Amino acid sequence: GAVVSQHPSRVICKSGTSVKIECRSLDFQATTMFWYRQFPKKSLMLMATSNEGSKATYEQGVEKDKFLINHASLTLSTLTVTSAHPEDSSFYICSARPRGTTNTGELFFGEGSRLTVL
Amino acid sequence: ILNVEQSPQSLHVQEGDSTNFTCSFPSSNFYALHWYRWETAKSPEALFVMTLNGDEKKKGRISATLNTKEGYSYLYIKGSQPEDSATYLCAFSDYKLSFGAGTTVTVRA
Repeated sequence: GAVVSQHPSRVICKSGTSVKIECRSLDFQATTMFWYRQFPKKSLMLMATSNEGSKATYEQGVEKDKFLINHASLTLSTLTVTSAHPEDSSFYICSARPRGTTNTGELFFGEGSRLTVL
Repeated sequence: ILNVEQSPQSLHVQEGDSTNFTCSFPSSNFYALHWYRWETAKSPEALFVMTLNGDEKKKGRISATLNTKEGYSYLYIKGSQPEDSATYLCAFSDYKLSFGAGTTVTVRA
């Protein structure tokens, strides 16, 4: 099956620094990638939809200047948490929609990134 | 924010027993209902994507049904095995996916 690689899997950073998380589709092209955040015992919350070559679409309540998303190629999307603070500590996970599929098709997920901001 | 509810939050099953759990979702603007299996330290993997009312899908010992009119789906595991232990996520699709919080299944040998 299709593989999505997400790095890093764990990151610890100091408050005020920025952290970049990468999401790569290894064996397919992804025109659309999604970024989610998960709080303990809660569902995956969609943060933004990333489309190759265009600006990301952010969900209501998600600060676009805090969570920078770049989808510069058909196989790579990045999420940068800028000026991270302890409340940004969370589990972040990406998913990718293969090129040519619709919103009724399955998504392929990365393994997630655990961010801890000290 | 669409309300996708999964019940129960967790369950324990004896090896060999069968089990099932539910996902409820809004019955309007329905595109598809997804089920994913998420094992610890791995990526969620798609089990089923269902689009039609009355759909039933099966993969090995796992099957799912869909009722779009009343807004629910059941996932069944027949003859549970330890390798079935995972969190099972459902997701409702209108123009984007909205996930439930998952049902965590633990199969005891």
